Amino acid sequence: SQKIEQNSEALNIQEGKTATLTCNYTNYSPAYLQWYRQDPGRGPVFLLLIRENEKEKRKERLKVTFDTTLKQSLFHITASQPADSATYLCALPNSGGYQKVTFGTGTKLQVIP
Amino acid sequence: DGGITQSPKYLFRKEGQNVTLSCEQNLNHDAMYWYRQDPGQGLRLIYYSQIVNDFQKGDIAEGYSVSREKKESFPLTVTSAQKNPTAFYLCASSSAPGPQHFGDGTRLSIL
Repeated sequence: SQKIEQNSEALNIQEGKTATLTCNYTNYSPAYLQWYRQDPGRGPVFLLLIRENEKEKRKERLKVTFDTTLKQSLFHITASQPADSATYLCALPNSGGYQKVTFGTGTKLQVIP
Repeated sequence: DGGITQSPKYLFRKEGQNVTLSCEQNLNHDAMYWYRQDPGQGLRLIYYSQIVNDFQKGDIAEGYSVSREKKESFPLTVTSAQKNPTAFYLCASSSAPGPQHFGDGTRLSIL
């Protein structure tokens, strides 16, 4: 199965700055990659999906890049706000199994006012 | 509003007792999943179901059982064979292909 590495240390940034989170993976190249947001005591919420043939995907203040050569995805939040504080998870499909994905451990983002 | 409902939000289990966690969805999704989340760890797949009356073991199925008698429902039983059941349990569903939609979890503790 896929091995995923996300920075386990919390990321603290100042409000208004751009937050950049990293998701590295090993093994095979996935057909797509997903990003989720999880608040304490809640289930993850889907944010964005980027396919292997897409270099970049945007949604409002969010931007995701996907570099299959580096086996890495970057997740950017521009003009960050305290409300963006949460844990962000990346997820990749398994090589076999219908709709099965492997989740990273997530990076906790804290936006400081 | 469509979504996934998990109940109860908090659950306590006594030693040697089986407990069942409920998961209901009204999104008309074929696939449903159960995950376990421990502090500082990612989501680990317990069981998943692609269609009614069919389910497969995930990575950590030992000590757990499921059923899928209806499209909308995918209950998880934590049996007494699960020696370390204290965790946050999350249920999800998805259509094919598509992202997973999660409930708000059940936190299980041992008395």
